[in-house]
Amino acid sequence: AAGVIQSPRHLIKEKRETATLKCYPIPRHDTVYWYQQGPGQDPQFLISFYEKMQSDKGSIPDRFSAQQFSDYHSELNMSSLELGDSALYFCASSPGPPSYNEQFFGPGTRLTVL
Amino acid sequence: AQSVTQLGSHVSVSEGALVLLRCNYSSSVPPYLFWYVQYPNQGLQLLLKYTTGATLVKGINGFEAEFKKSETSFHLTKPSAHMSDAAEYFCAVSPRGGSNYKLTFGKGTLLTVNP
Repeated sequence: AAGVIQSPRHLIKEKRETATLKCYPIPRHDTVYWYQQGPGQDPQFLISFYEKMQSDKGSIPDRFSAQQFSDYHSELNMSSLELGDSALYFCASSPGPPSYNEQFFGPGTRLTVL
Repeated sequence: AQSVTQLGSHVSVSEGALVLLRCNYSSSVPPYLFWYVQYPNQGLQLLLKYTTGATLVKGINGFEAEFKKSETSFHLTKPSAHMSDAAEYFCAVSPRGGSNYKLTFGKGTLLTVNP
């Protein structure tokens, strides 16, 4: 079965650089969620989209922006990177509007900021 | 605001022993409840969830959990641990009602299985 695809899987950036993380949800999944998991931490919700509109926003820094495109893939753009942005970034997708349906997680993108 | 507390950041059991991972939630309205497992360098996989109905929920890999409203708990159990169960386990909640279903995770419990 198709799973959530995230690219790249690993990314190394310098401080103050920018990064773009991509998420391709499972086909026919309309909702995408982004989470950030710092080293040894639990995942923290960043932002979600349904039908290309932002549906909820969590503790996402103003330096970050995200969007969902017409093909339902989503991109997380991160600017002025800081050392503290080093983390595992997960994308999850679920069918239909946001609900208690299972969120299917991708393998994550590991971002390292030097 | 919702919160999740997982008692014990690290649990160690012997192969074949009972696994018990504890989760308590804090919410004025019982939320939707989930257990996820994370193997090293991998994403999160859903083990089981409670939304409504029977309070004893069976999941994958022989795990089950029971929702106890009076105790605000959703502990995860497995009768007999396998070496392959060694992983990090996260309890998570999602608000019941409204239109937003972001997951709020507990801090996680690392399960070690000894031969």
